[in-house]
Amino acid sequence: KNQVEQSPQSLIILEGKNCTLQCNYTVSPFSNLRWYKQDTGRGPVSLTIMTFSENTKSNGRYTATLDADTKQSSLHITASQLSDSASYICVVSASGGSYIPTFGRGTSLIVHP
Amino acid sequence: NAGVTQTPKFRVLKTGQSMTLLCAQDMNHEYMYWYRQDPGMGLRLIHYSVGEGTTAKGEVPDGYNVSRLKKQNFLLGLESAAPSQTSVYFCASRAYTGELFFGEGSRLTVL
Repeated sequence: KNQVEQSPQSLIILEGKNCTLQCNYTVSPFSNLRWYKQDTGRGPVSLTIMTFSENTKSNGRYTATLDADTKQSSLHITASQLSDSASYICVVSASGGSYIPTFGRGTSLIVHP
Repeated sequence: NAGVTQTPKFRVLKTGQSMTLLCAQDMNHEYMYWYRQDPGMGLRLIHYSVGEGTTAKGEVPDGYNVSRLKKQNFLLGLESAAPSQTSVYFCASRAYTGELFFGEGSRLTVL
């Protein structure tokens, strides 16, 4: 069964600090992995996509990494801001015509001033 | 550019009542999905559609029905609402890149 596990479940940091969120998956055959950001009361929005051949991708202060051998991804947030407070969801898609991506349960990040 | 629009945004029902949630997308996407989101559970797939006139069951389909009569619309129905269906419902459509575009959510309370 395809699964996506995220850690930690929740995280509290001070504004300006860095943090790293983890995602482990068992989806096979692997196609791509996306990180979504979900602000409170809003729908999730895609931050970045990682394919099999990519190790690192940045989107502003967000940097995603992928290790396809160990089936792990991380999302690193640099110099956190209050607006980074949100839930971050890891979503993994399989190849071969699958229409159903596998969702992690998300990491809830709170940034305090 | 509206993207994915859900109506209504909020609704309170009594047990046994019925209702329909409407999802509309203006991006000409083939694939559409209905999810529910509960605290600590993440997003769980209720039903999905791979094109006009097609629907399929997801992970948690019991108590829900769907229809995709037009490509741009995907309706989620509750025939006899139960308190266990109190949740936030999200509709999404899938671009050819695989990226999902979500609506803003519909918050349903069943008393």
